[in-house]
Amino acid sequence: DAGVTQSPTHLIKTRGQQVTLRCSPKSGHDTVSWYQQALGQGPQFIFQYYEEEERQRGNFPDRFSGHQFPNYSSELNVNALLLGDSALYLCASSLEAYEQYFGPGTRLTVT
Amino acid sequence: KQEVTQIPAALSVPEGENLVLNCSFTDSAIYNLQWFRQDPGKGLTSLLLIQSSQREQTSGRLNASLDKSSGRSTLYIAASQPGDSATYLCAVFSSNDYKLSFGAGTTVTVRA
Repeated sequence: DAGVTQSPTHLIKTRGQQVTLRCSPKSGHDTVSWYQQALGQGPQFIFQYYEEEERQRGNFPDRFSGHQFPNYSSELNVNALLLGDSALYLCASSLEAYEQYFGPGTRLTVT
Repeated sequence: KQEVTQIPAALSVPEGENLVLNCSFTDSAIYNLQWFRQDPGKGLTSLLLIQSSQREQTSGRLNASLDKSSGRSTLYIAASQPGDSATYLCAVFSSNDYKLSFGAGTTVTVRA
């Protein structure tokens, strides 16, 4: 049984560009949450998707948006990239937002 | 807003010593508390989950306690090994807003 998978593993973008990150949840899970982890800090909650709707949102600007598909996979989109968006982006899946299982993350570098 | 604090920020011990990692949180309205391990540049591995109604959980050399009323949890790692070197993160799942809030972590180094 595959766990949570994320793609790509790494990517490098230029300021002002747009990026899409992808996440496939653990089998049987219906909820996907996204987190941003800056170097040396704990992960910060971006938003959570359940039944293809954004259920909760953290303190992130509208440049951060997402989507959940009928198969429960999810995308995180970031527009107008800033240098400060450089971080490890983590996806977690769960069944109704209880115990969360994390993927390996996508390392985004903005230059 | 839930605030989670982990003390100390870093810890270095000789192999074989027991580890004690502390976590405190400001809002006791939680569903559960999780302890995670993170190796450099990697994702999070769940170590233990304690439901709000539980006082402790154990898995092998790991034991975590929860005192919800005082907003504290402690992770004990017995007989530490160099392979235990990693960052340990505490996270609480709040029942008010359905969000998982993390501490900044404790970076542990176990010296051989």
